[in-house]
Amino acid sequence: DAGVIQSPRHEVTEMGQEVTLRCKPISGHNSLFWYRQTMMRGLELLIYFNNNVPIDDSGMPEDRFSAKMPNASFSTLKIQPSEPRDSAVYFCASSGDSNSPLHFGNGTRLTVT
Amino acid sequence: RKEVEQDPGPFNVPEGATVAFNCTYSNSASQSFFWYRQDCRKEPKLLMSVYSSGNEDGRFTAQLNRASQYISLLIRDSKLSDSATYLCVVGGGFKTIFGAGTRLFVKA
Repeated sequence: DAGVIQSPRHEVTEMGQEVTLRCKPISGHNSLFWYRQTMMRGLELLIYFNNNVPIDDSGMPEDRFSAKMPNASFSTLKIQPSEPRDSAVYFCASSGDSNSPLHFGNGTRLTVT
Repeated sequence: RKEVEQDPGPFNVPEGATVAFNCTYSNSASQSFFWYRQDCRKEPKLLMSVYSSGNEDGRFTAQLNRASQYISLLIRDSKLSDSATYLCVVGGGFKTIFGAGTRLFVKA
């Protein structure tokens, strides 16, 4: 049973470049979440989707961040242009109904130089 | 007041010790409760759900006190491999709220 799959595992890029992170949720899960984790701020919810529709993007730090979910099996988080302060681990998670726990992918470790 | 508050860490315990983590939550309407474990540089992983009657999984026991809005995790006979950050989680799906986590170091 495949879990949440994220790619790439690591991304190193220069300031100003576009970064795209990808996520495949667990089949049958109808909610998908993007989180960011740093030592300073801990785990922060950026955005979540329900049935492919963005429900709450209040955690997205600024307009440089955007997320899409074109179908039930794929989502992207894009940062354009990237900045050094965006360096963090980005996790994607999915869940079934509103009482179900979240299941996380392995994360993408982003370094912006 | 934070929605989910956990014991400040870190906890440093010797192998074989019993250690308890506590967590309080503010939303009395919450219906789902979980403990997650996160290893360094890894993703949070579901450790166990927490049920009203309390539940046990091997060396791990979780308790819920709805009246006091309090959740606990007890680890018996701790192992070196138990060293991790333990996250208290309230709510499921889009209602999920994570605590900041408590760091546990188990020493030989």
